[in-house]
Amino acid sequence: NAGVTQTPKFRILKIGQSMTLQCAQDMNHNYMYWYRQDPGMGLKLIYYSVGAGITDKGEVPNGYNVSRSTTEDFPLRLELAAPSQTSVYFCASRNRGRADKHEQYFGPGTRLTVT
Amino acid sequence: QQQVKQSPQSLIVQKGGISIINCAYENTAFDYFPWYQQFPGKGPALLIAIRPDVSEKKEGRFTISFNKSAKQFSLHIMDSQPGDSATYFCAAMDRGSTLGRLYFGRGTQLTVWP
Repeated sequence: NAGVTQTPKFRILKIGQSMTLQCAQDMNHNYMYWYRQDPGMGLKLIYYSVGAGITDKGEVPNGYNVSRSTTEDFPLRLELAAPSQTSVYFCASRNRGRADKHEQYFGPGTRLTVT
Repeated sequence: QQQVKQSPQSLIVQKGGISIINCAYENTAFDYFPWYQQFPGKGPALLIAIRPDVSEKKEGRFTISFNKSAKQFSLHIMDSQPGDSATYFCAAMDRGSTLGRLYFGRGTQLTVWP
């Protein structure tokens, strides 16, 4: 049972390039989330999904896209990378049901630098 | 607009001392308040959480104090140890919402000196 896995761990992108951050979970969780963490700013929700085929925007979705074709995978796509997207990205998942009864489990993160 | 305000931004405590981190919120719909612990290079992990029907919750050396009327809650780490050195995030949630979205504070970097 690997939990939530993210790849790559680190990535450097040039301005205007695109990439996909991978996230997978093996806990059969319905809910999955993407956050970005900037120094001194806490975690901000980018996108979330409540099940395969269902996604929605969070607080800071601009410049990102997601898809959820399977329960296990929730990739985050960056199109036309900008320096403002330099951040650490965390994927999380939890089981369905009351959110206070089902903990969010976080992956180890992807550190992205856009130069 | 930061839904949950957290202070201090950084904290240095001697081994064996008490670490105190404070958070405040405005949204009265929030009714679940978890704390997350994050070690360098790792994702956050749930440490302890409280619901507003109690004023205090204790798990080992970690205690959450909750003041509903003031809309404030705090994390106390008793007998702080070097292994407690990490970044701590408070968060808040409306349990009634379908998504159960977490609103995080900005984090406190705790350093415990041996």
